[in-house]
Amino acid sequence: EIVLTQSPGTLSLSPGERATLSCRASQSVRSSYLAWYQQNPGQAPRLLIFGASSRATGIPDRFSGSGSGTDFTLSISRLEPEDFAVYYCQQYGSSPYTFGQGTKLEIK
Amino acid sequence: EVQLVQSGAEVKKPGESLKISCKGSGYSFTSYWIGWVRQMPGEGLEWMGIIYPGDSETRYSPSFQGQVTISADKSINTAYLQWRSLKASDTAMYYCAREAGTTASFNMWGQGTMVTVSS
Repeated sequence: EIVLTQSPGTLSLSPGERATLSCRASQSVRSSYLAWYQQNPGQAPRLLIFGASSRATGIPDRFSGSGSGTDFTLSISRLEPEDFAVYYCQQYGSSPYTFGQGTKLEIK
Repeated sequence: EVQLVQSGAEVKKPGESLKISCKGSGYSFTSYWIGWVRQMPGEGLEWMGIIYPGDSETRYSPSFQGQVTISADKSINTAYLQWRSLKASDTAMYYCAREAGTTASFNMWGQGTMVTVSS
C-alpha cells in the first residue's frame, strides 16, 4: 500500500499570497496518477487536479499541480477567501487508492 | 444533470446491521466505477473500495476487506455499502464518489451519509 504524507499539516497565509502544498509518496506513483481535492467544512470533497497536473472541469487556473514519481505539489498562485479549506492528495496508480492525511489552509 | 444522491443519516446500536445507498443519475451507471470513502469525525479521507456496476467487479482496501460489503444493483442505478455488525468505531461520514472514466480520480461525489453507532 502506498502511503502519502502531506506537508505542512497546517499552512497559515493571507489572501493574495501564494500557497505551496506538498504530497510525498512512500513509493513511486505509477504514471503520475495523483489527484488533489479541496474540502470545505460540511461539504463533500471536490476534485481539483488529476494526473498530477491537469485541472478538473471548472477549476480556476490559479490552481496548478506538478510533480512525478514520489514528490508532488499543489500550488495556488493568489489565494482567494474561498480557497481556505482542507486539501487532500490521492494516488490511484496502485490499489488501494490511498489519500494523504490532508493540509489545512487557514487565514493568517 | 449528473449526480449521486445518498440515503439519509442513520443512528444504530452496536451489533446492528446497516445498508446505505448511493443512486446515480444523468449518466450511464454501468460504465463508471463507484467508490466509497470514509471520513471519521474531525479526520481525513479513507478509500474503502470501489465497484464497477457493469459487472459488479469489486476491489477493497485491506483495511476494510471483511468489514464491509460493497454491492450494486444496476437495474435501479444504485450502489450500496453494507455492515453485518456495526461497531462504535464505524461512526463516520460515508461518501460515495464516481470515477472520472478516463482517470480513476473521483470527479463526482455524493452528499455523504452520516452513520452514528451508539448504545
